[in-house]
Amino acid sequence: DSGVTQTPKHLITATGQRVTLRCSPRSGDLSVYWYQQSLDQGLQFLIQYYNGEERAKGNILERFSAQQFPDLHSELNLSSLELGDSALYFCASSVGTGGYYGYTFGSGTRLTVV
Amino acid sequence: GIQVEQSPPDLILQEGANSTLRCNFSDSVNNLQWFHQNPWGQLINLFYIPSGTKQNGRLSATTVATERYSLLYISSSQTTDSGVYFCAVVSIYSGGGADGLTFGKGTHLIIQP
Repeated sequence: DSGVTQTPKHLITATGQRVTLRCSPRSGDLSVYWYQQSLDQGLQFLIQYYNGEERAKGNILERFSAQQFPDLHSELNLSSLELGDSALYFCASSVGTGGYYGYTFGSGTRLTVV
Repeated sequence: GIQVEQSPPDLILQEGANSTLRCNFSDSVNNLQWFHQNPWGQLINLFYIPSGTKQNGRLSATTVATERYSLLYISSSQTTDSGVYFCAVVSIYSGGGADGLTFGKGTHLIIQP
């Protein structure tokens, strides 16, 4: 157990639907990151939050959004889902920012859009 | 943005063999990590190693920051070492506390019994 908790582990939904993925960071970590892993794009950084504030955006689609709550857990919202959104979505957490700390990854949410 | 290249892309070895995986990166970094993705998809943190050398059991890693490369060594391979090994970095030019990792494409390692 890495200490980063992601739910659900698996999700199957239809095109056009909206889903929410949840992440609880490791105790004491203030930064939360979301990553997408797909066969054609590999592992891509989506978005970063630090202590409730958005810090950086990567290759995140406009149909996707995220937030970090006061208790530091984070949610990734995916809407108007397409077949190509099927992927493994990882959450990671870190103590601080600036890249000077290691990152710990959760076990991922496998999303299948049918 | 920063580019990360890993080699070889695929590696098939017999149990007990040693291997060296390489990661080249295009800019100076303040974070470099090696991960192992097992067949169940879990990403396991092996090393946080922006510079220097570290060892953990049969695995060791060396990063030569001035020459922009890192090496992961696996000795006496076991079938459980199979999976994909990723190198991921954060460029020193990522400003404002932005530090999302940039991943390489990985090395797919298969250890045969």
